[in-house]
Amino acid sequence: GEDVEQSLFLSVREGDSSVINCTYTDSSSTYLYWYKQEPGAGLQLLTYIFSNMDMKQDQRLTVLLNKKDKHLSLRIADTQTGDSAIYFCASGPTFGRGTSLIVHP
Amino acid sequence: GAVVSQHPSRVICKSGTSVKIECRSLDFQATTMFWYRQFPKQSLMLMATSNEGSKATYEQGVEKDKFLINHASLTLSTLTVTSAHPEDSSFYICSARGTGADEQYFGPGTRLTVT
Repeated sequence: GEDVEQSLFLSVREGDSSVINCTYTDSSSTYLYWYKQEPGAGLQLLTYIFSNMDMKQDQRLTVLLNKKDKHLSLRIADTQTGDSAIYFCASGPTFGRGTSLIVHP
Repeated sequence: GAVVSQHPSRVICKSGTSVKIECRSLDFQATTMFWYRQFPKQSLMLMATSNEGSKATYEQGVEKDKFLINHASLTLSTLTVTSAHPEDSSFYICSARGTGADEQYFGPGTRLTVT
């Protein structure tokens, strides 16, 4: 079946950029998603990209999609402590395990 | 944005009993609803997909007789965990998608603890 892989942890300094990477196996999904889950809270849709796009920018967030390599990335510019959370990549309804982003001063 | 609610948010039940979890789309019609299970520090695992008025499609390895899903209306889906056991303790999350849309809106989740 579909598989979505992402690294489990990322640690960055406040003010730096964060890049979270994701690979997927099923290329039939129309959209690919990034979700954010803060401690004790539900999932929040951060952004998504249509499968025929290469890039999408939304304020501090930049999503890059490489369909050939089935690679998706999320870049957060000027990372803040409030960005600390778990970030899930999803290809359609299939989720990765989540990347825990830790932002330290 | 679209709002999805779940009830209850937390439930504790005894082993052998059944528990029903409700998922409601509050301000849109959800033609498709998804049920997920999340273990600590693990990904969301898709359990089943349900379309309004149809039988749910279960993912491989999910027992359909144990996890009963009903999607009887465009705003309500229910997940019933039958004859619950401690290993069913988990965080259950639903999401909903409207007609012609591809965005999924998530509920806040239900924490089930089976003692």
